[in-house]
Amino acid sequence: SQKIEQNSEALNIQEGKTATLTCNYTNYSPAYLQWYRQDPGRGPVFLLLIRENEKEKRKERLKVTFDTTLKQSLFHITASQPADSATYLCALAHAGNNRKLIWGLGTSLAVNP
Amino acid sequence: GAGVSQSPRYKVAKRGQDVALRCDPISGHVSLFWYQQALGQGPEFLTYFQNEAQLDKSGLPSDRFFAERPEGSVSTLKIQRTQQEDSAVYLCASSLGAAMTDTQYFGPGTRLTVL
Repeated sequence: SQKIEQNSEALNIQEGKTATLTCNYTNYSPAYLQWYRQDPGRGPVFLLLIRENEKEKRKERLKVTFDTTLKQSLFHITASQPADSATYLCALAHAGNNRKLIWGLGTSLAVNP
Repeated sequence: GAGVSQSPRYKVAKRGQDVALRCDPISGHVSLFWYQQALGQGPEFLTYFQNEAQLDKSGLPSDRFFAERPEGSVSTLKIQRTQQEDSAVYLCASSLGAAMTDTQYFGPGTRLTVL
């Protein structure tokens, strides 16, 4: 069956360190993959999109990598801050139906001061 | 400018009641999406509109779920004869165009609790 897996355990890191979150997928041929941030009681907020033919994307302190051979995306937050504490979700769109996003369960990140 | 708004923010229904959830997308946005998010889970796609046309409703869990967007702006998600398993947050998102990479902007969601 088709599946997306993210770090199941919550991630606790110290302020200033780099947070690395993982998104693995099986049985998909994604056209692109997105990362979102979600705070309690709010809807997801788009962060970054990476296409199947891209290896890496950066935006300020954020970096996303996409390895279609490993079927994995890594999401990095450098110089992390307590304000980065949230749940981070990955979502991908299948090449055959690219308006329909399939989502992971999310990884909870806590950045401690 | 205003973002995506949803109403009500919270809804409690008795099992068997019908509910209607409203989404006001960002003005001028062509695409509109509905998702269901259970506690501790990621969002699950329900349906997608491009203007008033419902192009994909493959995620609607049963024929008790119905969505419409008659004038290509406001959308309503209706759930008939609610069941306890319908309890979740219902998220609406809109995007400016119809391209696959257009950013989706989410509303705050409606939390539905079915007793």
